[in-house]
Amino acid sequence: GQQVMQIPQYQHVQEGEDFTTYCNSSTTLSNIQWYKQRPGGHPVFLIQLVKSGEVKKQKRLTFQFGEAKKNSSLHITATQTTDVGTYFCAGDNLNTGNQFYFGTGTSLTVIP
Amino acid sequence: NAGVTQTPKFRILKIGQSMTLQCTQDMNHNYMYWYRQDPGMGLKLIYYSVGAGITDKGEVPNGYNVSRSTTEDFPLRLELAAPSQTSVYFCASSYSGTSGSYEQYFGPGTRLTVT
Repeated sequence: GQQVMQIPQYQHVQEGEDFTTYCNSSTTLSNIQWYKQRPGGHPVFLIQLVKSGEVKKQKRLTFQFGEAKKNSSLHITATQTTDVGTYFCAGDNLNTGNQFYFGTGTSLTVIP
Repeated sequence: NAGVTQTPKFRILKIGQSMTLQCTQDMNHNYMYWYRQDPGMGLKLIYYSVGAGITDKGEVPNGYNVSRSTTEDFPLRLELAAPSQTSVYFCASSYSGTSGSYEQYFGPGTRLTVT
């Protein structure tokens, strides 16, 4: 079945350091979404990537979609304490259509 | 707009009991989803619906049932609760059109414990 893995599972960084999480799918995706979940909260949408090789930026966040549409990354420049949370990718499989498969998540801790 | 609302926020069930988790959205979204999230894990899709009257199974549908009689409501029914169903349940909705799927809006979640 469909699998979406993320690495690392946990990341501790000093405030001001950069952070990257990687998302890998066992199958080709039609699109990929990224979500952030604060401790005790619900997932909140960050961005959606649709095109092969697409790169999108939101202030300090940079999102990439791989050429083969099987992997993606989220990079945060100069982390802040407000970046704390778990970051999930979610892929919409080409074959199964409307089902989104969430990655295992990367939990980010920012040390002031 | 209230967005996606879920009730109850918390519930403790005894093994074998049944309950319905309620989910309502006021954004006129055609797609609705139920996910479960176990501690420290990602979200697993239980059931989803692409419109009123249409539902389909996700990754982990066993032990659950859904219905979608209106665009707004998508209740999740647990029959014969088991400890393995202890989890946080999230309902989500999104709009999907000819250009594909769009962002999912999540409710605040229901924390369920089965003992």
